[in-house]
Amino acid sequence: EAGVTQFPSHSVIEKGQTVTLRCDPISGHDNLYWYRRVMGKEIKFLLHFVKESKQDESGMPNNRFLAERTGGTYSTLKVQPAELEDSGVYFCASSHYSGAREQYFGPGTRLTVT
Amino acid sequence: DAKTTQPNSMESNEEEPVHLPCNHSTISGTDYIHWYRQLPSQGPEYVIHGLTSNVNNRMASLAIAEDRKSSTLILHRATLRDAAVYYCILSQAGNTPLVFGKGTRLSVIA
Repeated sequence: EAGVTQFPSHSVIEKGQTVTLRCDPISGHDNLYWYRRVMGKEIKFLLHFVKESKQDESGMPNNRFLAERTGGTYSTLKVQPAELEDSGVYFCASSHYSGAREQYFGPGTRLTVT
Repeated sequence: DAKTTQPNSMESNEEEPVHLPCNHSTISGTDYIHWYRQLPSQGPEYVIHGLTSNVNNRMASLAIAEDRKSSTLILHRATLRDAAVYYCILSQAGNTPLVFGKGTRLSVIA
C-alpha cells in the first residue's frame, strides 16, 4: 500500500508569487490533515478535511492560504501571495475511519520564499 | 489538550534499551497518550498509543503510570535508525489534530 505522498518535495519562490502544494493521502482514508513547521518552531496544525468537507480550519494563518479537496481524494494547499514568513515544511497526514488514532504523514514539502 | 513535558534531548548506546519519559500531570480521564517520532528529513511517524494499560507493539512499549500523570516510551534495543525526535501527545478523540510540542531528540551512539 502506498503511503501519503506530497508534491513537490521542495519549492523555491519569490515573495508575492503563488505556490500550490499537493497531497495524495493513502487510498480510502477519509481524513486528511495539513500541518506545517516554520523555522525554529513546533509543528502546527493547519486544517482537517473529512472527505471533501473542511472539518476544522482553525489553524489556517490567514486568507492567503486556501485548501481544497475536490472529490475527497487528493488535496491542494495554495499560498497566494507568498510571504517570507511562509517558509517552512508543510506536512500532510491522513487517517482512515472515524475515531482512528493513527495519522500517517507524508514526507513534507519544503517551501522557501525569498 | 493537556500539556506534556519531555526532556529536550537524550542519548543512548546502540543495542541498549531506551526509556523516554513524558510528564502530563494535567491529563484528563479521556486523554489518550500518543507517541510519534520524526526521523531526519521525514514526516512524523506514529509509534504507539494507550489510555490506561501498558501497550506493546512491534516498534516499542508504552508504560503508563498508575495515576496516568506520566508515561514512558521504551525502545527495547536502540539502533542507529531510532535516532529521531520523539513526541508525546495527548488527545481525547480520534481523528483530531495533533498538538506537537518540542519533543525529545534521541541520539544513538554506535
